[in-house]
Amino acid sequence: QVQLQESGPGLVKPSETLSLTCTVSGGSINNYFWSWIRQPPGKGLEWIGYIYYSGSTNYNPSLKSRVTMSVDTSTNQFSLRLSSVTAADTAVYYCARFGLYSLDYWGQGTLVTVSS
Amino acid sequence: QTVVTQEPSFSVSPGGTVTLTCGLTSGSVSTSHYPSWYQHTPGQAPRTLIYTTNIRSSGVPDRFSGSILGNKAALTIAGAQADDESDYYCVLYMSSDIYVFGTGTKVTVL
Repeated sequence: QVQLQESGPGLVKPSETLSLTCTVSGGSINNYFWSWIRQPPGKGLEWIGYIYYSGSTNYNPSLKSRVTMSVDTSTNQFSLRLSSVTAADTAVYYCARFGLYSLDYWGQGTLVTVSS
Repeated sequence: QTVVTQEPSFSVSPGGTVTLTCGLTSGSVSTSHYPSWYQHTPGQAPRTLIYTTNIRSSGVPDRFSGSILGNKAALTIAGAQADDESDYYCVLYMSSDIYVFGTGTKVTVL
């Protein structure tokens, strides 16, 4: 059974860079697309982007200028960096695997708060 | 910018049937959008229900079904149970290989 676990700081200061890592266990990161999704408090889910195991990426146009995703196949991990954060970036961040045009395995999510 | 719209809320009686829809502010939803549906209870990981319009994810009971109704994607819950009370989101695959979540529907069973 594939499992995903997000990790990273729970508190980030405004204007700094949010960094999260997703560790994949129970399966290989190879040959799949991997995604980040977030949910601000009281709001809906938002797709941030995806990365292929080879490193190719595609991002939500509304976040594209601030998002960078990377993958490390040797450690079965992929990562998210979101720069110049503001309070609007406060959210629960989820990592997930893409199956057939859909997200088939999800992490439990991690809350990141942007505050000084 | 195209927005994926869903009903804000629905109420259904136990044992009843409810159909949630997923539309576009501009244009029609088709199978080419590969609609998928997710159940999300706050504090938990979202659960994948339906992918590529009407394929049930592993372990999802057959009272959940997906379809295209008119110009929208639809999720039907038949024989609603108390633990179906949750938020439901659709996701559409759009041009330029991006995915967009719908606005979400809160389903209450009472």
